[in-house]
Amino acid sequence: DTGVSQNPRHKITKRGQNVTFRCDPISEHNRLYWYRQTLGQGPEFLTYFQNEAQLEKSRLLSDRFSAERPKGSFSTLEIQRTEQGDSAMYLCASKTPDRIDTQYFGPGTRLTVL
Amino acid sequence: AQSVTQPDIHITVSEGASLELRCNYSYGATPYLFWYVQSPGQGLQLLLKYFSGDTLVQGIKGFEAEFKRSQSSFNLRKPSVHWSDAAEYFCAVGASGTYKYIFGTGTRLKVLA
Repeated sequence: DTGVSQNPRHKITKRGQNVTFRCDPISEHNRLYWYRQTLGQGPEFLTYFQNEAQLEKSRLLSDRFSAERPKGSFSTLEIQRTEQGDSAMYLCASKTPDRIDTQYFGPGTRLTVL
Repeated sequence: AQSVTQPDIHITVSEGASLELRCNYSYGATPYLFWYVQSPGQGLQLLLKYFSGDTLVQGIKGFEAEFKRSQSSFNLRKPSVHWSDAAEYFCAVGASGTYKYIFGTGTRLKVLA
């Protein structure tokens, strides 16, 4: 069990550019979550996958954001035409279907939009 | 709507002193409750969780929390704080069905030597 991994760990980009982040969950976990954490705030839910199906999206996820989980394994989160307000830590978490299991979080990708 | 409130943004305690971090939640059904800790530049680490049963739950690093349904609270406690406990602490409630988490805004703990 190598845990949840996220790449890259840091990303600096210019406003208007597109960025893509990757999350590799724990192998037997079929549920995958994306959260965003801004400075001084707790993580906020963005979207949730069960296997390859995206079952819930927060209203925080504007049309510039898209997430995929092909084949129910790794997931990508893409932000198009980045804005300075997108600067945040993007966290990925995964869990098993078991109701009482907890989410295991990755180290996050810190995005800075200049 | 589901929500979590952590009333204390910052708390400072002396090493060896006791600690209590407050958490209040709003949730229609029986909540799943969690406490996570986040050190600078690190990911979220689970301290403890409550699903059902005994309302006093024990976690890692000597932490415990008590679920009080009548007060909609899930406060985190530690009898004697160590300098290494300095970090940010987040309370969260898990929604049934999706099990997505709703986090509070966090409490930053500072420990004085």
